[in-house]
Amino acid sequence: DVKVTQSSRYLVKRTGEKVFLECVQDMDHENMFWYRQDPGLGLRLIYFSYDVKMKEKGDIPEGYSVSREKKERFSLILESASTNQTSMYLCASSLLRDEAFFGQGTRLTVV
Amino acid sequence: SQQGEEDPQALSIQEGENATMNCSYKTSINNLQWYRQNSGRGLVHLILIRSNEREKHSGRLRVTLDTSKKSSSLLITASRAADTASYFCATDKRAIYFGSGTKLNVKP
Repeated sequence: DVKVTQSSRYLVKRTGEKVFLECVQDMDHENMFWYRQDPGLGLRLIYFSYDVKMKEKGDIPEGYSVSREKKERFSLILESASTNQTSMYLCASSLLRDEAFFGQGTRLTVV
Repeated sequence: SQQGEEDPQALSIQEGENATMNCSYKTSINNLQWYRQNSGRGLVHLILIRSNEREKHSGRLRVTLDTSKKSSSLLITASRAADTASYFCATDKRAIYFGSGTKLNVKP
């Protein structure tokens, strides 16, 4: 079975902190994605990557950056956390742009 | 935004009834997928329909796709309490884009 693992289930950070959310997949998938999920807004795409060291902006990249140094790992970085970045963050991977496999999610609270 | 939109936002039915959810999207697609999410956890893939297909079945699930109207529907037949979840459609255009979801409640 494909496994996508996010480093933390719950996280509390202070405003202004630099926050790293890590995601690792074990199926050699080319594509990896970061989404945030807020009530009533569904899943919104932050960034995605089709290959190592490659990244593209999604619909809401402001305030975020990403890193993909190795194929299996895709990190989401909040450069200076703000309260409006309190959300559920979901990482996913896929071999092609078809079935996506999701991690369990990280619920981030910025205080 | 590339997001699709599901309709209705919420649906409440009795066990045994059928549940129908609709999805509309904006751009041309290669395929359309449906996912399920239980209690704010990660999403689970249910079914994929390609742009050259009109209908697809998987167990109690039936998906239709009308590319001329840019719309899809998901039908769950003979629903069960365990089907209670949020359901999302997803389209691909360089990445996978999700809609806002339909929250389904199946009452026992």
